[in-house]
Amino acid sequence: ELKVEQNPLFLSMQEGKNYTIYCNYSTTSDRLYWYRQDPGKSLESLFVLLSNGAVKQEGRLMASLDTKARLSTLHITAAVHDLSATYFCAVDRTSGSRLTFGEGTQLTVNP
Amino acid sequence: EPEVTQTPSHQVTQMGQEVILRCVPISNHLYFYWYRQILGQKVEFLVSFYNNEISEKSEIFDDQFSVERPDGSNFTLKIRSTKLEDSAMYFCASSGSRAETQYFGPGTRLLVL
Repeated sequence: ELKVEQNPLFLSMQEGKNYTIYCNYSTTSDRLYWYRQDPGKSLESLFVLLSNGAVKQEGRLMASLDTKARLSTLHITAAVHDLSATYFCAVDRTSGSRLTFGEGTQLTVNP
Repeated sequence: EPEVTQTPSHQVTQMGQEVILRCVPISNHLYFYWYRQILGQKVEFLVSFYNNEISEKSEIFDDQFSVERPDGSNFTLKIRSTKLEDSAMYFCASSGSRAETQYFGPGTRLLVL
């Protein structure tokens, strides 16, 4: 059974600070996704990481993938309040198959 | 920008009643999915659908659940006899191919009383 674990589950940080969210998964997988979810809203796709060493950046967020360690990181640079949301990583074992989600990291950025 | 739509946004029903949740996937997409998220918990896969048949289903997707693509645009999830524990947010997702990311709809919040 594919398991996906995120840590931390809750993260409160000050504006302007940097932090990293970690996502571990238990078995070989084709792709790793990061989604953002605002309270009561849907899941917004942030990044899709396809191969070992992949790095993608959008604004203050940067995601990376190490398939050998089965680890992805989501790095937040100089956080701003607008980044407050829950961030999920998800993995599919083969392309197009079910997504298995982590528990989510609830990020709160304080002024 | 094309997006997945879902109706209704909220549904309240009595235990034992049937509900149908509706989704309109992005128009040229071929792969369709249903997920659910119980309040405060992670998102869980229910079922995937391709070429008018179920591709994969989870242990949650028991005989009380069914999916259908009744026409060229809609994709529905039916729960035959709802239970209290079916209360959750139900998300529909679609993708254009097996290699593409899954795009999620806004969700239907189902409350079973």
